[in-house]
Amino acid sequence: SQTIHQWPATLVQPVGSPLSLECTVEGTSNPNLYWYRQAAGRGLQLLFYSVGIGQISSEVPQNLSASRPQDRQFILSSKKLLLSDSGFYLCAWSLRTGRVNGYTFGSGTRLTVV
Amino acid sequence: AQTVTQSQPEMSVQEAETVTLSCTYDTSESDYYLFWYKQPPSRQMILVIRQEAYKQQNATENRFSVNFQKAAKSFSLKISDSQLGDAAMYFCAYRRVSGSRLTFGEGTQLTVNP
Repeated sequence: SQTIHQWPATLVQPVGSPLSLECTVEGTSNPNLYWYRQAAGRGLQLLFYSVGIGQISSEVPQNLSASRPQDRQFILSSKKLLLSDSGFYLCAWSLRTGRVNGYTFGSGTRLTVV
Repeated sequence: AQTVTQSQPEMSVQEAETVTLSCTYDTSESDYYLFWYKQPPSRQMILVIRQEAYKQQNATENRFSVNFQKAAKSFSLKISDSQLGDAAMYFCAYRRVSGSRLTFGEGTQLTVNP
């Protein structure tokens, strides 16, 4: 069965520090991968998605970047965190093909920038 | 661009009663998918139910069912025999057949009163 792992679960970082959040998927190949941010417990904002290794699409210009160094690994990064980067970050995957296909989400990372 | 609107920021229901959460969407596509996701206090996103637009029959999953009105672009979720564990944020989501990205509504916070 497919599983998705996201870590860390909680992170407190000072302003100006770097960020690296990691997400890995097991039990499937060639997944589509996504990073979402959820602020104040409402609304999910798509940040990045990837349909393959090295292929990243950015939805919202911002202080963050994403990379996909391996087929089932998706990393969210920042060189210098801002206070506004605080939020709840969710990684998700979906099959690349398949008629009815929702997302499977990771357990999320709560990031607090202080 | 597709948009998803959930007009009820908060709803409450008595345990064992029935509640309906509303969702409308805007699209020019004729074939697409619709989803309801549940986010309990743990913040894990859980797929509740899915609907394919080409199917006229409303989807049902145990106590959860939808009322899909394609012409009205409405996709409401009915929860029967509400349980305390149903308390969560509920998100409606839309996906084009030709794409993989999900567009989410802003969510409805459901409280279940004992």
